[in-house]
Amino acid sequence: GENVEQHPSTLSVQEGDSAVIKCTYSDSASNYFPWYKQELGKRPQLIIDIRSNVGEKKDQRIAVTLNKTAKHFSLHITETQPEDSAVYFCAASNNNAGNMLTFGGGTRLMVKP
Amino acid sequence: NAGVTQTPKFQVLKTGQSMTLQCAQDMNHEYMSWYRQDPGMGLRLIHYSVGAGITDQGEVPNGYNVSRSTTEDFPLRLLSAAPSQTSVYFCASTRDYPYGEQYFGPGTRLTVT
Repeated sequence: GENVEQHPSTLSVQEGDSAVIKCTYSDSASNYFPWYKQELGKRPQLIIDIRSNVGEKKDQRIAVTLNKTAKHFSLHITETQPEDSAVYFCAASNNNAGNMLTFGGGTRLMVKP
Repeated sequence: NAGVTQTPKFQVLKTGQSMTLQCAQDMNHEYMSWYRQDPGMGLRLIHYSVGAGITDQGEVPNGYNVSRSTTEDFPLRLLSAAPSQTSVYFCASTRDYPYGEQYFGPGTRLTVT
């Protein structure tokens, strides 16, 4: 089955700096890659996603890049703010894998004011 | 809309006890799933359903049963609780599988002593 690895497990940045979180996946058939944000004590919420037919997608301060050849994708947050502090999860799925979404282990991002 | 709801919010069980975690959604989503969240391990899929009457196993199904008699409800049963099942459990639903946003419930924190 699919295996998704996420790095780093913790990331501390100064407010205004950029943050990058990286994920690798094992199943070359995976074609959908969402990112979820989970604030402390709350439920995960989708912040951005990308399909395998595009290499990059942006939404204001957030961007995701995908390299299908290398089987890795990354989340980029620019101009970080204290409210960006949360745990971020990447995930991968494909419609051939028994309808399963496989998550990475998570990255705890701390933005210091 | 209430979205995805879960009950109870907290539960303490003794080893060997059984219980049912309730999940309901009012968005008419066909696809529903159960995840467990453990520190450093992300969200792992337990069971999922692509519609009423159809369920399948996820990554970590042992010790859990599910049923889907209606579109709205997707209960998760712990047959004989073990300390290894101490975790936070999230139910999720989505309309546009496999490319759609997963809407998560608020979670159930379960402790097995």
